[in-house]
Amino acid sequence: DAGVIQSPRHEVTEMGQEVTLRCKPISGHNSLFWYRQTMMRGLELLIYFNNNVPIDDSGMPEDRFSAKMPNASFSTLKIQPSEPRDSAVYFCASSSPPGTDNQPQHFGDGTRLSIL
Amino acid sequence: AQTVTQSQPEMSVQEAETVTLSCTYDTSESDYYLFWYKQPPSRQMILVIRQEAYKQQNATENRFSVNFQKAAKSFSLKISDSQLGDAAMYFCAYRRYGGATNKLIFGTGTLLAVQP
Repeated sequence: DAGVIQSPRHEVTEMGQEVTLRCKPISGHNSLFWYRQTMMRGLELLIYFNNNVPIDDSGMPEDRFSAKMPNASFSTLKIQPSEPRDSAVYFCASSSPPGTDNQPQHFGDGTRLSIL
Repeated sequence: AQTVTQSQPEMSVQEAETVTLSCTYDTSESDYYLFWYKQPPSRQMILVIRQEAYKQQNATENRFSVNFQKAAKSFSLKISDSQLGDAAMYFCAYRRYGGATNKLIFGTGTLLAVQP
């Protein structure tokens, strides 16, 4: 089975540029999560979707961040304009929908983002 | 709001020895799930073990086992016969049971070093 697929694996860009991170969840998983990991703040949930609908975006740091899930097999996290403090590893994870059994979240390999 | 606390930022163990990583959590709910994830230097997030709160029996997965103390809200991870490949960051996580959300709440992690 293919796991959660994220692209790109690494991204280096200059501040002010638009950055788009991509995620393909595991087939059949209806919930999708975007996390950010930094040394200072650890793992932070940015936003999550159930059935392509954003449920909780309270973790999105500011208006420069936006996430979409146009269909069940694809999601994007966009930062525009990017700033050096956005440098982090961004993870996407997917799981079975709430109310089902205790299937855990499965994580992608993450995107290491560096904003110069 | 639920919280997860890992009070040991770093731990060290000799190869072949046993180590226990601590995790406590705070919740007013009676049904929930608990997880331990491992993040090696490759940065993948790998599920190690999971526990349903309604089960009294402690979960085990090969060399990994938990000590789940529901009344004390404690969920420690024991690694037996430690191997060099066990060196990683370990995260404890909580997820409520049912409802409209399957959001994970993570602790800050414990960095485990394994000495040869």
